[in-house]
Amino acid sequence: GENVEQHPSTLSVQEGDSAVIKCTYSDSASNYFPWYKQELGKGPQLIIDIRSNVGEKKDQRIAVTLNKTAKHFSLHITETQPEDSAVYFCAASINSNSGYALNFGKGTSLLVTP
Amino acid sequence: GAVVSQHPSRVICKSGTSVKIECRSLDFQATTMFWYRQFPKKSLMLMATSNEGSKATYEQGVEKDKFLINHASLTLSTLTVTSAHPEDSSFYICSARRDRGYGGYTFGSGTRLTVV
Repeated sequence: GENVEQHPSTLSVQEGDSAVIKCTYSDSASNYFPWYKQELGKGPQLIIDIRSNVGEKKDQRIAVTLNKTAKHFSLHITETQPEDSAVYFCAASINSNSGYALNFGKGTSLLVTP
Repeated sequence: GAVVSQHPSRVICKSGTSVKIECRSLDFQATTMFWYRQFPKKSLMLMATSNEGSKATYEQGVEKDKFLINHASLTLSTLTVTSAHPEDSSFYICSARRDRGYGGYTFGSGTRLTVV
């Protein structure tokens, strides 16, 4: 089955700096890679996703890059703000009508200090 | 946007009793729903995948007789924790997926179960 590795497990940055979180996956059939933000006591919220036929996607301060050959993808947050502090999860899935579940990384606890 | 409602958000029950958690897709039909369990400061662990009108597929190590999943309609799935024990205390999260196009996974807000 799919195995998703995520690093680092914790990340502390100063407000205004950039944060980068990296993930690798094992199943070459995976073709959908979302990133979720989870605040304490809440469910995960999708912040950005990327398909395997795209190398990079950006949405304001958030960007995701994908290297299919190396089987790794990264989340980049620029101009970080204290409200970006949360746990971030990467995930991978074989996107099809068969309803494959998302396989999650172990999460990165991001702390943005003022 | 897609909204998934999960209830209750918190529940405390006594050992030996059963607890039902509901997951509803409010503005879309979800052919497939997923149930996850999350321990403190840990990742989401997939428990089972349920398709409307059929039996759920459980992940290895998850007791299907203990965690009963029903997906009777395209907008509702329920997870019943039967004969709950303290070790069942956890954060349970459901996810519903639209079956067209990429992505479409929407998560509920989670249920904090405490068994005393």
